[in-house]
Amino acid sequence: GEDVEQSLFLSVREGDSSVINCTYTDSSSTYLYWYKQEPGAGLQLLTYIFSNMDMKQDQRLTVLLNKKDKHLSLRIADTQTGDSAIYFCAESIYSGGGADGLTFGKGTHLIIQP
Amino acid sequence: GAVVSQHPSWVICKSGTSVKIECRSLDFQATTMFWYRQFPKQSLMLMATSNEGSKATYEQGVEKDKFLINHASLTLSTLTVTSAHPEDSSFYICSARVPPRGSGANVLTFGAGSRLTVL
Repeated sequence: GEDVEQSLFLSVREGDSSVINCTYTDSSSTYLYWYKQEPGAGLQLLTYIFSNMDMKQDQRLTVLLNKKDKHLSLRIADTQTGDSAIYFCAESIYSGGGADGLTFGKGTHLIIQP
Repeated sequence: GAVVSQHPSWVICKSGTSVKIECRSLDFQATTMFWYRQFPKQSLMLMATSNEGSKATYEQGVEKDKFLINHASLTLSTLTVTSAHPEDSSFYICSARVPPRGSGANVLTFGAGSRLTVL
């Protein structure tokens, strides 16, 4: 079955880099995603990576994928107070038009220390 | 970009009443929408997949007679919590599948969520 694991909490100082880690079990995962959820709000897609890629960078965000170890990470450079949120890792198996949802991890609560 | 609007954002109701939550795709057509439930400090639990023009597909353990889903148009899906009880209090979030733009990624856009409190 599908399973996505994340640490529940991460605390970093403002200005430092944050690295949020995720492991998954389904080797046929095609796409892996990072979503951000601010308090009382829905989920916002931050970025996603195709399984044949090792790295993807988008401004302050860097996604690293180790497909062999089924490990995904999200690095946030120069972490700001506005980055405080819960970050969800998710995976999917794209079926070319099928109605597949995503399998989510439990989310990592990123806490920013001043 | 693709926007999903969810309404109401919060609702308080008495035990035994029914509550309807709407999920609309504002600038795209969504043949498939998903309904999730989120308990405090926990992840999203997929409740059901809503398909336009057909019956919803419910996840194991989710009562279809309790959580009625209607996807009558390409831009609207509704979730009705029937005869709500305090244990139904939760944060309900919908999402819609955004048509892929060549990359093929199964990108979902989420609504802002609806917080239901049953007294």
